[in-house]
Amino acid sequence: NAGVTQTPKFRVLKTGQSMTLLCAQDMNHEYMYWYRQDPGMGLRLIHYSVGEGTTAKGEVPDGYNVSRLKKQNFLLGLESAAPSQTSVYFCASRRGQDYEQYFGPGTRLTVT
Amino acid sequence: GNSVTQMEGPVTLSEEAFLTINCTYTATGYPSLFWYVQYPGEGLQLLLKATKADDKGSNKGFEATYRKETTSFHLEKGSVQVSDSAVYFCALTAPLGGYNKLIFGAGTRLAVHP
Repeated sequence: NAGVTQTPKFRVLKTGQSMTLLCAQDMNHEYMYWYRQDPGMGLRLIHYSVGEGTTAKGEVPDGYNVSRLKKQNFLLGLESAAPSQTSVYFCASRRGQDYEQYFGPGTRLTVT
Repeated sequence: GNSVTQMEGPVTLSEEAFLTINCTYTATGYPSLFWYVQYPGEGLQLLLKATKADDKGSNKGFEATYRKETTSFHLEKGSVQVSDSAVYFCALTAPLGGYNKLIFGAGTRLAVHP
């Protein structure tokens, strides 16, 4: 099992450009999450999904959109990137009845 | 509201030293508590957890006890190794739209030197 994978690992964008981050999990987990990690702030939840075809807002959703068309994939989109979105992005997944979240290796995004 | 406060790092120790990383929380209800570890260049991994008061979570020589009276979940290890160098996050579960979410502390970086 690959677990949770994220694509790409690194990306540099110019202000106003758009991009999509892909998260894939092969554990048949119902729940999936997108977090951003910033120095001194821990991880903050951007959006989450409790099943295929569902999405919901987390703590810091502004400027991001998500889609979960297939159970194993959770996409995070930035329509018009801003320097404030420079961060490390982590995807995670978990089974419905478990507490543990399994994390991907992260995507480091820089917006100039 | 729900929040987690961790001691600021970095924590720098020599190999075989005793480790304590403090974590306190505020929460409504009865959250579950977790320690996650992030090794350089990797995502977070669950280190240990405790789901009710007085429970002790343990793994890889690390321990933490869920103390409801002091709202704390301090991480300890009796003898650290260089390979324990990482960032450690304390977290708790909190309600989110009928489900649960994790709330993380800011993280504490541990550096262990030979």
